[in-house]
Amino acid sequence: DAGVIQSPRHEVTEMGQEVTLRCKPISGHDYLFWYRQTMMRGLELLIYFNNNVPIDDSGMPEDRFSAKMPNASFSTLKIQPSEPRDSAVYFCASSLTGRETQYFGPGTRLLVL
Amino acid sequence: QKEVEQNSGPLSVPEGAIASLNCTYSDRGSQSFFWYRQYSGKSPELIMFIYSNGDKEDGRFTAQLNKASQYVSLLIRDSQPSDSATYLCAVKGGGQGAQKLVFGQGTRLTINP
Repeated sequence: DAGVIQSPRHEVTEMGQEVTLRCKPISGHDYLFWYRQTMMRGLELLIYFNNNVPIDDSGMPEDRFSAKMPNASFSTLKIQPSEPRDSAVYFCASSLTGRETQYFGPGTRLLVL
Repeated sequence: QKEVEQNSGPLSVPEGAIASLNCTYSDRGSQSFFWYRQYSGKSPELIMFIYSNGDKEDGRFTAQLNKASQYVSLLIRDSQPSDSATYLCAVKGGGQGAQKLVFGQGTRLTINP
């Protein structure tokens, strides 16, 4: 199994630009999670989906952030417009109903200048 | 008060000794408890989870849970340099939040040869 795939692995952009992060979960997994990790705030859940439906988006910091899951094998997290405080590592993870393990992707390291 | 608290460390332990990592949580309704390991620049990976009060052993790792004290710990016996990493405690609630993991800030562990 290829594991959770994220792209890009690194992104450098300027303040005000739109940023789109992508995730492909493990095939067959029905839960998909987006996390953000910073030194100050640690690892935080932003949003998660079950069977492509958003279940809890209470962690999304503000309206500049949006996430979609158009099908079982693809999800995006979009930031528009981006700000320097959005600089972080963004992880996508997936899991299967009835199983406790969340499998994390390699992360996208975002730097907003 | 943070929902999940860990001593950020760094915790330094000589090779071959027992490393003890601690975590407290605030939500008494929490149902399951996890320890993740994260190497520098890598994504978190699950080591163990525990549901019930008491100890759960897996190889050199033992998770301990005391729900009355809202306390979770991880013991690593015969510590190896390869155990040097940041250890994240995570807690999952019940009900509607059943899939939502809340992470502590992590404890950085260094095993000295």
